[in-house]
Amino acid sequence: AQSVTQLDSHVSVSEGTPVLLRCNYSSSYSPSLFWYVQHPNKGLQLLLKYTSAATLVKGINGFEAEFKKSETSFHLTKPSAHMSDAAEYFCVAPGYNQGGKLIFGQGTELSVKP
Amino acid sequence: GAVVSQHPSWVICKSGTSVKIECRSLDFQATTMFWYRQFPKQSLMLMATSNEGSKATYEQGVEKDKFLINHASLTLSTLTVTSAHPEDSSFYICSARGRSTRSYNEQFFGPGTRLTVL
Repeated sequence: AQSVTQLDSHVSVSEGTPVLLRCNYSSSYSPSLFWYVQHPNKGLQLLLKYTSAATLVKGINGFEAEFKKSETSFHLTKPSAHMSDAAEYFCVAPGYNQGGKLIFGQGTELSVKP
Repeated sequence: GAVVSQHPSWVICKSGTSVKIECRSLDFQATTMFWYRQFPKQSLMLMATSNEGSKATYEQGVEKDKFLINHASLTLSTLTVTSAHPEDSSFYICSARGRSTRSYNEQFFGPGTRLTVL
């Protein structure tokens, strides 16, 4: 069965330091994968998506993620955190043959300290 | 492009009343819309999938008579919480998927509706 696992429920970094949010997936086929960000009381905004083209995907706001099939990972990174990056982040995969349903990771709350 | 709106953004109602939440795709035709519920500090929980012109498909454990979903056009879906009770208080988010095969797997999310039932 497909699954998406975010390895950290909460990550705290200082402003200006790198961000790493970890995501592993389980699938018997090569999936599409997305990272979404959610600010408090807001909807989800797409940061970036992997669709089997380039394995290193660049997204908005300086975020990027690398698809590593050998590690079944799709970790999200940013070289330098900004206060405005504080939010909830979700790693998401489309369900295979599930009529468009998405499989969500549990979410990672990113805190950024001044 | 690919903007989804929700109305209202927040609503407070008395127990026993019904509340309707609208989800609109503003610049594309949404063949499928999804309704999610989100509790604090938790991930999104899919409630139902709605295809234009057909009945919604509800996830296991979601009462279809309690959460009425209508998807009458390619740009509008509504969720009605009937006879709302305090335990229905939550953040409700819709998403929409369009016809384009290039972005077939991508869903575009609305900004959410905060429902508080007193």
